[in-house]
Amino acid sequence: KNEVEQSPQNLTAQEGEFITINCSYSVGISALHWLQQHPGGGIVSLFMLSSGKKKHGRLIATINIQEKHSSLHITASHPRDSAVYICAVKVLGNQFYFGTGTSLTVIP
Amino acid sequence: ETGVTQSPTHLIKTRGQQVTLRCSSQSGHNTVSWYQQALGQGPQFIFQYYREEENGRGNFPPRFSGLQFPNYSSELNVNALELDDSALYLCASSLAARPYNEQFFGPGTRLTVL
Repeated sequence: KNEVEQSPQNLTAQEGEFITINCSYSVGISALHWLQQHPGGGIVSLFMLSSGKKKHGRLIATINIQEKHSSLHITASHPRDSAVYICAVKVLGNQFYFGTGTSLTVIP
Repeated sequence: ETGVTQSPTHLIKTRGQQVTLRCSSQSGHNTVSWYQQALGQGPQFIFQYYREEENGRGNFPPRFSGLQFPNYSSELNVNALELDDSALYLCASSLAARPYNEQFFGPGTRLTVL
């Protein structure tokens, strides 16, 4: 069983739709990261969370520590949002666990 | 301010060989983490270096080793390469080994073991 589970694995949306990607984890964490990975491998860090909610442009990330759950929301989705979104958690000992990613395709 | 760079971009080795991958951290960052990402999978944490000392390690065998230099650049060494070592190797730098510090990722080195 993976320490970090993401859903859905694949997601196709029409441009303009509101998108939610979910992440559940089973270990105690010190921080949670949402990452964006484009084809070819480049990874960009979108958010780091230890509590509450963060917003950056059309992206919103929330975390519920008690429920061990985080969500990434994209409002007014655009084809350039097409990428793989990865949830990663940092645990004691500076070890990181990653989800397998959610592949998002936004169709014009 | 330069970002995280990695070299080489691509590499092909044969089973049993040894490989060294390099990472230059973002200016001012003193922490480097290395990850292995197999095709279609999420990254797996290999280890982290903070001020030239290993500061955390994932479930990788000892043939995966690393170094961090005084300028905070880093190397990942893999001995006795196996076919399953074929993957994208990513490094990420951050300012300090604190939980909330943002990591900046390099473009990765794609290693193919034949």
